[in-house]
Amino acid sequence: DAKTTQPNSMESNEEEPVHLPCNHSTISGTDYIHWYRQLPSQGPEYVIHGLTSNVNNRMASLAIAEDRKSSTLILHRATLRDAAVYYCILRDGNAGGTSYGKLTFGQGTILTVHP
Amino acid sequence: DAMVIQNPRYQVTQFGKPVTLSCSQTLNHNVMYWYQQKSSQAPKLLFHYYDKDFNNEADTPDNFQSRRPNTSFCFLDIRSPGLGDAAMYLCATMIMRRGRPMNTEAFFGQGTRLTVV
Repeated sequence: DAKTTQPNSMESNEEEPVHLPCNHSTISGTDYIHWYRQLPSQGPEYVIHGLTSNVNNRMASLAIAEDRKSSTLILHRATLRDAAVYYCILRDGNAGGTSYGKLTFGQGTILTVHP
Repeated sequence: DAMVIQNPRYQVTQFGKPVTLSCSQTLNHNVMYWYQQKSSQAPKLLFHYYDKDFNNEADTPDNFQSRRPNTSFCFLDIRSPGLGDAAMYLCATMIMRRGRPMNTEAFFGQGTRLTVV
């Protein structure tokens, strides 16, 4: 499985934007970039995913580098409820692959949001 | 409304006593996953079902088994729990169609926290 590298932790102030980086230099052409987050004592929650183009949804934006070797999750206005572990995951989108779309989690980034 | 439901949320079992964790889904997704997450670690995939096809990860201990009697339900059986099996167990689902790009996301349950005494 292609691996991702994320900072162990980041801090932000409430209502400020947060940019969470992820490096994935060994990404393959069929890998989708997924982001999930996990709040304390809860299951992971889907945030956003993309392949090549930048993506926006109600939760966040995903900026993907042109060479796809890195990406950034952007929370436009952090709230206290955004404090969580954020996982950047490469998921094989190859329809004929044998990975069955499994998500292999790395260590993630612990985001702390200060009031 | 919860779409992936895990019961119970907390389970205490005795060392060596078989225990079963359950997962149900209302999404009609054909793929179901079981993950183990130990304290302060990332979730680790144990196995998954693609429809009825069972796929075991290479490093999943034999102590862990799974059953999927129908699309909606999946069970994780731990035959002889040891202290090292204490963890959060997460169930996830996804829809997937062979021959089509897998451009979908996974839905996770809230997990079952297993304590072994």
